[in-house]
Amino acid sequence: NAGVTQTPKFQVLKTGQSMTLQCAQDMNHNSMYWYRQDPGMGLRLIYYSASEGTTDKGEVPNGYNVSRLNKREFSLRLESAAPSQTSVYFCASSEEFIGARRTEAFFGQGTRLTVV
Amino acid sequence: AQKVTQAQTEISVVEKEDVTLDCVYETRDTTYYLFWYKQPPSGELVFLIRRNSFDEQNEISGRYSWNFQKSTSSFNFTITASQVVDSAVYFCALRLDSNYQLIWGAGTKLIIKP
Repeated sequence: NAGVTQTPKFQVLKTGQSMTLQCAQDMNHNSMYWYRQDPGMGLRLIYYSASEGTTDKGEVPNGYNVSRLNKREFSLRLESAAPSQTSVYFCASSEEFIGARRTEAFFGQGTRLTVV
Repeated sequence: AQKVTQAQTEISVVEKEDVTLDCVYETRDTTYYLFWYKQPPSGELVFLIRRNSFDEQNEISGRYSWNFQKSTSSFNFTITASQVVDSAVYFCALRLDSNYQLIWGAGTKLIIKP
């Protein structure tokens, strides 16, 4: 079982470049999430998708866009990368959304992004 | 407002000692979920446990145990007979039943010395 798979694992971008982080889950989960983790901090939610076809902003959405391509895949795009977006990005998925009892999120391995 | 506090920034113990990681949360909601995650040096986030607010039963899983006390808004995590492989950053997190968002503590870095 692969769980949640993110690509790439590492990436270096120049300021102003664009890129897309890919995420796929094979657990048939309804909800998917993108987080960023900065040194000494917990995770902050960028965007989430409660179910296929829907996406919503999280705590820190500025500078990002997302696409829920299908139930399995949820991509994160940086249109014009900035040094402030240097971070570790985690994709996650969970079985259900609001009202669910099994609410734990399962995380991918993370993508270390550096913007120079 | 919701908040999770992990007051211990870093803990260092010698292998085989017991260690408790503290987690205190704040919420006015009556239905919520608490989680512990482990982040080893390799960087991935590993789910350890979920506790629902309506279930105050403590749980033991091998060397790991969790003590959930609503009266003190705490969800502490104890590792008995610690091992070097337990070295990691441990995060406590809170999710409300009415919301999608996980509210994270700052994490406790646990160092187990051989």
